[in-house]
Order: sequence, then C-alpha cells, then structure tokens
Amino acid sequence: DQQVKQNSPSLSVQEGRISILNCDYTNSMFDYFLWYKKYPAEGPTFLISISSIKDKNEDGRFTVFLNKSAKHLSLHIVPSQPGDSAVYFCAASASGGTSYGKLTFGQGTILTVHP
Amino acid sequence: KAGVTQTPRYLIKTRGQQVTLSCSPISGHRSVSWYQQTPGQGLQFLFEYFSETQRNKGNFPGRFSGRQFSNSRSEMNVSTLELGDSALYLCASSPETGGLAKNIQYFGAGTRLSVL
Repeated sequence: DQQVKQNSPSLSVQEGRISILNCDYTNSMFDYFLWYKKYPAEGPTFLISISSIKDKNEDGRFTVFLNKSAKHLSLHIVPSQPGDSAVYFCAASASGGTSYGKLTFGQGTILTVHP
Repeated sequence: KAGVTQTPRYLIKTRGQQVTLSCSPISGHRSVSWYQQTPGQGLQFLFEYFSETQRNKGNFPGRFSGRQFSNSRSEMNVSTLELGDSALYLCASSPETGGLAKNIQYFGAGTRLSVL
C-alpha cells in the first residue's frame, strides 16, 4: 500500500523555466510534508517543508503548495538551473506515538534541467 | 556543525554473515531514524531511537535490530544476511525540539551494503 505517490518517474525542463514536481498521498493522518533532493552516492538533502495548516510555503526559488482536499502537493522550482538536476523525493509524516521518527517517501522523480 | 556521519560507506558481506552499521547524528539531535533504500521498494523506514529507546519500528524481520547510546550515536545490526538485504542504508537525525522542526530529518550519505 503506497501511501505517498510520485506518478512521474522523470521530468525534463529547460534552464530558466519552471519545474513542477507532483506528489499525492492517501493517508489523511499525514500533517507534515517535506521535499528532499538526492544526488547519486549521497543521502537525501532537505529542501523545503509545509505543515497541513498552510497551503503554501516559499523559500527562494522553491515553493511548495498543499491541497489538502485533493491530498496533493507540488514543488515549484523557478527558475530551474542545471544544478537542480537530481532525484526529488516527497515525504510525509504524521503526529502521534506510532509515527515517531517515521517519514513515508514517494518513489522519487528524476529532474533533468537542460542548459 | 558537522552533519550526520555514517560508517562504513561501503560493505561487502556474504550470505549468512552479520553486519553492524554506525551512525553519528548532528550534535544536539537526539532522534535517530534508519531507512533502507532499494530500487524496487524505495526508501523504507526501519526504526527510530530517542534517548536510547526504540520508539517506532517498520515492517522488517527481527534480523534487523538497532540500538542507541547515551551520546545519541546509533548502530543497526543485520544478522543472517540474505541477498535481498543488499541496499543503501540511510541514517537520519532530527532535533526533536518543540514545534514542527522536529519533523525535519537530516540524512547521512549512507552505507552501501552488498551481500554476495
């Protein structure tokens, strides 16, 4: 049962344009969402997060949007740069004792930004 | 501040052996989580430790175990290795402070385990 899904395995974007990465979840107990970037042979690097009480969070070129009713979130990168090429993971967490320290990850989207 | 440190970076073992992986969290972080990453299953949660106590465990067999020391360093152990245990094992720490920041986990580079 995949509770967090990233339906696009890959995305190709031109430098300077917007990259939009999507993520859907099924567990209504999730109340905190995170995006990570991962390069080969490295661990995931935290990018940006959003609480379920918000619908948007912005940090520089990165903006995350949350649509709770649709159980959907997206990461926008504007403008995209070649250095953004990596695998992007969406993750979710829930509050409460059975969820301590547990992030549930999507399968990842490979972003390629062409110069 | 130093990041999360995992040792060793690479390991090769044979079936039936056991292995111990080590993780040093970011200074001041008391929560340590472990994940297994494979091409087929993605990133899967193994367990989480806080103040030397396991607070949460994922759906892995009992061959996978861990512990945490008083300085928050953590180890995970896999006994009776199987071919399917070949994976990247990631450790993450979080500040476990009040507020939402406790949900953010910071990852090490991982240990690549190959079982032959």
